Amino acid sequence: QSVLTQPPSVSAAPGQKVTISCSGSSSNIGNNYVSWYQQLPGTAPKLLIYENYKRPSGIPDRFSGSKSGTSATLGITGLQTGDEADYYCGTWDSSLSSGGVFGTGTKVTVL
Amino acid sequence: QVQLQESGPGLVKPSETLSLTCTVSGGSISDHYWSWIRQPPGKGLEWIGYIYSSGSTNYNPSLKSRVTMSVDTSKDQFSLKLYSVTAADTAVYYCARGGQVVITSFDPWGQGTLVTVSS
Repeated sequence: QSVLTQPPSVSAAPGQKVTISCSGSSSNIGNNYVSWYQQLPGTAPKLLIYENYKRPSGIPDRFSGSKSGTSATLGITGLQTGDEADYYCGTWDSSLSSGGVFGTGTKVTVL
Repeated sequence: QVQLQESGPGLVKPSETLSLTCTVSGGSISDHYWSWIRQPPGKGLEWIGYIYSSGSTNYNPSLKSRVTMSVDTSKDQFSLKLYSVTAADTAVYYCARGGQVVITSFDPWGQGTLVTVSS
């Protein structure tokens, strides 16, 4: 059971923008870095954003991340058909049961 | 660049032990955190735990009583054992690299291996 809440799905036409929210608490997002992962169908997750907003080498600047309080947001601009995938946020939970935690996942559909 | 590859049986009987190994290539296993993450079919990601190259571990509290991780730095491998498995442990199991000082993200990931628990 995920402790980070994401919308089940978002959709937009090619070229448009989508945002995906990730809601947590003070024990996780509020006091730890957030990362985002893209999982294309049938493949392993791939790191898109780390430490709230940083992009690994090779990730286009169409992908952006931000964090405010106990929530984080992934933005995708100039939506492409190749962006159709599941997206997960992740962070650390510093409560008594500390460990890695992931969001519930969001399916992005390009209309 | 660093690549990870999971290996192990794809079918495990209920009540038995799931054993997987992750082989690291293109870089050293030293001075990093290494994690196991799983994904039941059609569901989301669940962090299982991590092991540091020195051997220190931290496990998901929900699995802690059934999990053991180990590392073999001479072979650049780390392993997962999950005891007393049930059908609920059927999932794709991924290994992934965490950070060097702390884990702020997981990158890269292995391709994943499907483990089915069934008699």
